[in-house]
Amino acid sequence: AQSVAQPEDQVNVAEGNPLTVKCTYSVSGNPYLFWYVQYPNRGLQFLLKYITGDNLVKGSYGFEAEFNKSQTSFHLKKPSALVSDSALYFCAVRDVGFQKLVFGTGTRLLVSP
Amino acid sequence: DTGVSQNPRHKITKRGQNVTFRCDPISEHNRLYWYRQTLGQGPEFLTYFQNEAQLEKSRLLSDRFSAERPKGSFSTLEIQRTEQGDSAMYLCASSPWTSGRETQYFGPGTRLLVL
Repeated sequence: AQSVAQPEDQVNVAEGNPLTVKCTYSVSGNPYLFWYVQYPNRGLQFLLKYITGDNLVKGSYGFEAEFNKSQTSFHLKKPSALVSDSALYFCAVRDVGFQKLVFGTGTRLLVSP
Repeated sequence: DTGVSQNPRHKITKRGQNVTFRCDPISEHNRLYWYRQTLGQGPEFLTYFQNEAQLEKSRLLSDRFSAERPKGSFSTLEIQRTEQGDSAMYLCASSPWTSGRETQYFGPGTRLLVL
């Protein structure tokens, strides 16, 4: 069975500081990994994905994520946080051969001025 | 705007009533997905279509739920005899299907409140 864990309900960071939002996953096969962001009253917005290849994936708005197979992790990072990055972030996994995305419970990012 | 659209955005209904939601996918995306998101949780998969064929249904999709995609374009999700536990955000997503590595793009969701 596929599963995703986001161990932090909330991450607080000051504007201009680096941020990390953690994600670990479990799949039986090879994973496809995704990060989405959700702003209030809006749907999920795609940020980036890992399919294969380079373990460091770059995405929208300066976000990046590092795939670590041995630690089964896919942490989201950004070198310098903006107040406008404050939102709810979801990690998701899809096992190769399956169609559904399995999401974590989300991490609320709060960037203070 | 050429993204996924969903209507209505909000729906308030009384317990026992039937409701229907519509999803219009990104043009030429042949895969369409429905998810449900309850407060404080991540989205949970309900069902998906490839063109007009419904290929998978989650156990979450009880007999009161039915989804259709009659012409392989828009889709509807109907809930019959709504219950308070059906209150949630219903999300639709679409993707193309070529290599199996495609991204699912989500709509804004329909928020349902059952009184």
